[in-house]
Amino acid sequence: EAQVTQNPRYLITVTGKKLTVTCSQNMNHEYMSWYRQDPGLGLRQIYYSMNVEVTDKGDVPEGYKVSRKEKRNFPLILESPSPNQTSLYFCASSLGTSVEQYFGPGTRLTVT
Amino acid sequence: QKEVEQNSGPLSVPEGAIASLNCTYSDRGSQSFFWYRQYSGKSPELIMFIYSNGDKEDGRFTAQLNKASQYVSLLIRDSQPSDSATYLCAVNSLTTDSWGKLQFGAGTQVVVTP
Repeated sequence: EAQVTQNPRYLITVTGKKLTVTCSQNMNHEYMSWYRQDPGLGLRQIYYSMNVEVTDKGDVPEGYKVSRKEKRNFPLILESPSPNQTSLYFCASSLGTSVEQYFGPGTRLTVT
Repeated sequence: QKEVEQNSGPLSVPEGAIASLNCTYSDRGSQSFFWYRQYSGKSPELIMFIYSNGDKEDGRFTAQLNKASQYVSLLIRDSQPSDSATYLCAVNSLTTDSWGKLQFGAGTQVVVTP
């Protein structure tokens, strides 16, 4: 089954404790992206990757890191999480930005 | 700052009526336009995409694009209770500083009442 998977689905952590949210897709897509969704603000793009070893900042990259060492994986790293990073995070993949994005199930992160 | 704007709603629509959703965008370099539907607690899923000026119909959904006026709309005909969701407008641009980015509006909540 073609899909985007994210882990964990739910995470509660404390300020400053490094965490990684994994994202994997099995559709051989070049383009992958991370979004956060907050009430009233919609989906905001954090980072995106056009292909392996090619990543770039979206609109809200501060406090996040990404890497793209393999085509299928695009982990999101929060090296020192803060409460303002409490949000719902979505990973997405596609063949490019001009076509449909396939979204993962989301990761709900709470930073206390 | 390039923006995509939508009315947040809620847009209350009687069952069987037409729901009309609007989206405006600020980047004249925008090339591709998408409508996603998102049920509460779920991931967005694609409803329609449109690239050219004019109308595009798919079942009960019609997307309308006017690049000169920088707006894209979505019509939902014969609205059903299952259409109750948040609808997200998304825009991508091929300008140099926006290459690769995809911008979403905040979404319009639609409530279809029986």
